[in-house]
Amino acid sequence: QKEVEQNSGPLSVPEGAIASLNCTYSDRVSQSFFWYRQYSGKSPELIMSIYSNGDKEDGRFTAQLNKASQYVSLLIRDSQPSDSATYLCAVFRYGGSQGNLIFGKGTKLSVKP
Amino acid sequence: SQTIHQWPATLVQPVGSPLSLECTVEGTSNPNLYWYRQAAGRGLQLLFYSVGIGQISSEVPQNLSASRPQDRQFILSSKKLLLSDSGFYLCAWSVGAAAGEKLFFGSGTQLSVL
Repeated sequence: QKEVEQNSGPLSVPEGAIASLNCTYSDRVSQSFFWYRQYSGKSPELIMSIYSNGDKEDGRFTAQLNKASQYVSLLIRDSQPSDSATYLCAVFRYGGSQGNLIFGKGTKLSVKP
Repeated sequence: SQTIHQWPATLVQPVGSPLSLECTVEGTSNPNLYWYRQAAGRGLQLLFYSVGIGQISSEVPQNLSASRPQDRQFILSSKKLLLSDSGFYLCAWSVGAAAGEKLFFGSGTQLSVL
């Protein structure tokens, strides 16, 4: 089983709709969860972090975490064409003197005008 | 504020040639530094990380090496490139209560080995 799994997409949504991006992870001791956005040919940019069960909202973005189900998601409300990018889920677990941040392969989102 | 510089942006190298990619961080001291590679259709792969000068940990055995000659400088090298070394190389630094948490990436180097 892969450590962090995401549907590769592409996920296509119309402008103004809600985009829902999902991620599952295999290690139950994972403690921190992140979403990165990566435009084509650019480097990843951190957009959300979540540490406890429930929802965390930041503008049009909402991260949701369910540790019992080992599931983390990102909702983008009022999707815009500028949201078209690949979204990377990352999961961190502490271990010794150096933790370990594991990335999924990403979900490509396309927002159609 | 903290900034990270990475160069060059693109690089085309023949098989068997050497490689040197450089990354510097400004606005912080004693950062944790990382080299990642992103190959086409694959996820981000951690290559090396460093928690201090001269301290390098390797995550993947390969023909690449890393060095940290100064606190805010991280260098990725190879003596002889392979075709499989092609990819998007990213330098990153971290903040947070635990090392390796939130990462901030440089602009990346697109390496093509021909």
